Amino acid sequence: GAVVSQHPSRVICKSGTSVKIECRSLDFQATTMFWYRQFPKQSLMLMATSNEGSKATYEQGVEKDKFLINHASLTLSTLTVTSAHPEDSSFYICSARYGTAKETQYFGPGTRLLVL
Amino acid sequence: TQLLEQSPQFLSIQEGENLTVYCNSSSVFSSLQWYRQEPGEGPVLLVTVVTGGEVKKLKRLTFQFGDARKDSSLHITAAQPGDTGLYLCAANAGKSTFGDGTTLTVKP
Repeated sequence: GAVVSQHPSRVICKSGTSVKIECRSLDFQATTMFWYRQFPKQSLMLMATSNEGSKATYEQGVEKDKFLINHASLTLSTLTVTSAHPEDSSFYICSARYGTAKETQYFGPGTRLLVL
Repeated sequence: TQLLEQSPQFLSIQEGENLTVYCNSSSVFSSLQWYRQEPGEGPVLLVTVVTGGEVKKLKRLTFQFGDARKDSSLHITAAQPGDTGLYLCAANAGKSTFGDGTTLTVKP
């Protein structure tokens, strides 16, 4: 099956710093990648959708200047949490899809961010 | 309005019992996926259903897609502690939409 990796798996940072999370599709070309945020015991909340070579589409309420997304290639998307604050602490998960909306998404293992 | 509604939200059962989780919507979907997620990990795809009325079996798990492609169910027979996790349904409607999830706990 398709494999998606995320790096780092865990990160602890000080308030005010920026953190970059990478999402890679290892064995397929991802035309679309998604970024989610998940709070404990809750479902996934879609933050943004990114297509290779174009600007990400952010969901309502998600600050695009706060959460910078770069989909530089068909196998790599990055999420940068700028000027992180403790309320940004969460589990961030990416997924990747090839083809049309009918195709399945494959998820990365997630990144646990803790902002002190 | 939640596009996909899952029920129940929480379920705690004894090993060996059967259970059914439901995923309902008023919208029609071209496909629907079921995922299982364990704490601290990303969701893992269990199945994709695409045809109305479709039934798929994965060992002790049976998935059904409604005839109108608006709803789906996941039935687990003889649940085991290893089935414990968060079960999520998701539908592709241009962008990914997830249900609220069902947290299943199977006690030994």
